[in-house]
Amino acid sequence: QKEVEQNSGPLSVPEGAIASLNCTYSDRGSQSFFWYRQYSGKSPELIMFIYSNGDKEDGRFTAQLNKASQYVSLLIRDSQPSDSATYLCAVGSNYQLIWGAGTKLIIKP
Amino acid sequence: NAGVMQNPRHLVRRRGQEARLRCSPMKGHSHVYWYRQLPEEGLKFMVYLQKENIIDESGMPKERFSAEFPKEGPSILRIQQVVRGDSAAYFCASSPPSSEEETQYFGPGTRLLVL
Repeated sequence: QKEVEQNSGPLSVPEGAIASLNCTYSDRGSQSFFWYRQYSGKSPELIMFIYSNGDKEDGRFTAQLNKASQYVSLLIRDSQPSDSATYLCAVGSNYQLIWGAGTKLIIKP
Repeated sequence: NAGVMQNPRHLVRRRGQEARLRCSPMKGHSHVYWYRQLPEEGLKFMVYLQKENIIDESGMPKERFSAEFPKEGPSILRIQQVVRGDSAAYFCASSPPSSEEETQYFGPGTRLLVL
């Protein structure tokens, strides 16, 4: 059974600090990896996707992928209160996404 | 470029009634996915459809739930004889037909309340 694991949190980070969100997956053949953000009462929205080992940066967000360790992470620099949300990790497999349960992030002013 | 559209946004039903949830994918997208989310819980995959085909319904309850994606018109998630436990947010997502693209884009969801 293909699985994606995330720490449910909540993860509490001071405003302005770096928030680090982690995700592990079981299917070694996975090729695509996604981070979504979901505010309470809203639908998930795509933040970033990454296909290759290494880092991918987009503004304050950096996704990191290590296929050998089956590990993907999301770093949020200069965390803002508006970043408080649940972050969902998803791994692509045959036109579908396998979802983690999400990590709740709280940015403290 | 309109995003994924879902309607209704909110739906109230009494126990035993039927609920019909509609989803129009993004323009050019041919893959549709339905998810259910209970309060404070994660997304639960229900069904994956392409036009006129159900590809994977492994997450669908065996009874009362059905889904379709006809050649013309929106995808429909149908719940017959609703029970209180069906109260949840139901999200639809779509993705393009490219074999290299698995990104899913979500609609705003339908909040179903069963009284």
